[in-house]
Amino acid sequence: AQSVTQLGSHVSVSEGALVLLRCNYSSSVPPYLFWYVQYPNQGLQLLLKYTTGATLVKGINGFEAEFKKSETSFHLTKPSAHMSDAAEYFCAVSVPSGAQKLVFGQGTRLTINP
Amino acid sequence: DGGITQSPKYLFRKEGQNVTLSCEQNLNHDAMYWYRQDPGQGLRLIYYSQIVNDFQKGDIAEGYSVSREKKESFPLTVTSAQKNPTAFYLCASSMGRGLAKNIQYFGAGTRLSVL
Repeated sequence: AQSVTQLGSHVSVSEGALVLLRCNYSSSVPPYLFWYVQYPNQGLQLLLKYTTGATLVKGINGFEAEFKKSETSFHLTKPSAHMSDAAEYFCAVSVPSGAQKLVFGQGTRLTINP
Repeated sequence: DGGITQSPKYLFRKEGQNVTLSCEQNLNHDAMYWYRQDPGQGLRLIYYSQIVNDFQKGDIAEGYSVSREKKESFPLTVTSAQKNPTAFYLCASSMGRGLAKNIQYFGAGTRLSVL
């Protein structure tokens, strides 16, 4: 079975500072990994995904994430935070075959301080 | 515009009442999903369907029912057996095949409250 742990339910950074949101996963087979963003009272929007190939993946809004198999991690980063990045972020894992279900982490709420 | 439409945006349930949440997609996706979101708990899978006229229970199916009579529609009924229905409900869909089959696209959600 797959599982996801997001370290830190709340992260606060200053505008212009580095954003780092942590995600560790557990999977018995090579996983597909995703980051989604959710703005208040809205659905989830895909930020980026890792399936196969290059382990550093770039997404929308300047975010990127690196798949590190040895550390079972898929941390999300952005070099310079913007006020509009304030939202909740979810890491998710699925396996390439089977029922295509996503298993989500508990989410990290990102606050940007002016 | 292609996308996933959930309705209503807000819904109130009385004690002992069944309510149905609508989810419609025009993305021609094979697979559809229902999630429940509670504060601090992330998203939990209620039901999913990979093909018309077939669906499977997710992790928290008790007190819920679904149908998949048409490819574009996957309504969720919250029954009176669900004792704690207050939550934000999200519907999603995915292609179900090919390299992009695991990418899920989400609707804007329905917030259900108990009167």
